[in-house]
Amino acid sequence: QKEVEQNSGPLSVPEGAIASLNCTYSDRVSQSFFWYRQYSGKSPELIMSIYSNGDKEDGRFTAQLNKASQYVSLLIRDSQPSDSATYLCAVLNSGYALNFGKGTSLLVTP
Amino acid sequence: DGGITQSPKYLFRKEGQNVTLSCEQNLNHDAMYWYRQDPGQGLRLIYYSQIVNDFQKGDIAEGYSVSREKKESFPLTVTSAQKNPTAFYLCASSIRRLAGGQTQYFGPGTRLLVL
Repeated sequence: QKEVEQNSGPLSVPEGAIASLNCTYSDRVSQSFFWYRQYSGKSPELIMSIYSNGDKEDGRFTAQLNKASQYVSLLIRDSQPSDSATYLCAVLNSGYALNFGKGTSLLVTP
Repeated sequence: DGGITQSPKYLFRKEGQNVTLSCEQNLNHDAMYWYRQDPGQGLRLIYYSQIVNDFQKGDIAEGYSVSREKKESFPLTVTSAQKNPTAFYLCASSIRRLAGGQTQYFGPGTRLLVL
């Protein structure tokens, strides 16, 4: 069974702080990794995708990938209350389907 | 506006009834997917289709059926054989790439409830 593991949280951070969300995966041949944000009752929306080892930055978001450790993370700088949501890590294994973690709930407090 | 539409937003099913969830996209994407999400759970793949007139079972296909007669449309039927259908159903689409790496985009979802 190919697993994607996330801490369910909730992760609580004060406004303006850095939120760090982590994800581990079991399939060593995985090549593509995605972070989605899901507000309560809504569908997931893509935040970041990352394919190569290292960091990828987009605005306040940075995705980090370490294939040797099978670890992918998402950093959110200057966290805002509007960032409060569940963050889903998804991994593209062999084939075409995404394998999702159960998500980490983030709460940004004013 | 390009995007993915799902209808209805809410759907109620009676015992023994088949119901069909609609998914349409105008993004010119080749691949389409159906996921199911239960409270506190990640998304689980039901069916996916890479091209018209072809589709494959995902991890939890039992009790569901699909068709892909048009590139834009990928309807999902929840049959009476699905004994626990209450969930949030999400349709997604992506550009098909042989080497993978497709980014999937999601529709707004359909919430199915059993009466």
